[in-house]
Amino acid sequence: DTGVSQNPRHKITKRGQNVTFRCDPISEHNRLYWYRQTLGQGPEFLTYFQNEAQLEKSRLLSDRFSAERPKGSFSTLEIQRTEQGDSAMYLCASSLRWRDGNTIYFGEGSWLTVV
Amino acid sequence: GIQVEQSPPDLILQEGANSTLRCNFSDSVNNLQWFHQNPWGQLINLFYIPSGTKQNGRLSATTVATERYSLLYISSSQTTDSGVYFCAVDTQDNAGNMLTFGGGTRLMVKP
Repeated sequence: DTGVSQNPRHKITKRGQNVTFRCDPISEHNRLYWYRQTLGQGPEFLTYFQNEAQLEKSRLLSDRFSAERPKGSFSTLEIQRTEQGDSAMYLCASSLRWRDGNTIYFGEGSWLTVV
Repeated sequence: GIQVEQSPPDLILQEGANSTLRCNFSDSVNNLQWFHQNPWGQLINLFYIPSGTKQNGRLSATTVATERYSLLYISSSQTTDSGVYFCAVDTQDNAGNMLTFGGGTRLMVKP
């Protein structure tokens, strides 16, 4: 299996611009997650999909954030009108329900810096 | 929501030493996982262990669900063990991974 792939790995953007991150999960995994991690903290759950359905959204996911998973394959996370507080690492992860002990596998993350 | 506390927050070891990391959680859980985050930010899953004991090489973990804690044991530590160790839990019973992470234990292993 190839692992969870995320791109871009690093993004520097000006405040107010829109950014989009892409995640390609492990191919057989039907669940895909987005988390956010700021420096010195543990990751925080944002949202998850089972196949193409978005099943849960954290209240951390403001209206400026939108995630999609068309056709249940890759996913995109878009942040509109970025703010400095959006600077963080955005982590994508995937799992296969009831397989492998429900283990979740993370990608290497996409670092966002808003200047 | 559930609270997850990890201790110690920081740990410095000499190569070859053993250590125990602790994770306390405030409610019943259906999912508990331990992760290692390396200095480049990659999160690696170490154990899925909502209860019981598991071992993988020099690492082992025990979760006592009734007492709401989990322990991660590292034996014969190596410099490559350095990084941050996170415990994460989920209270949902839908096999999801809406994990709540603890604050982590930052481990440095010196040669």
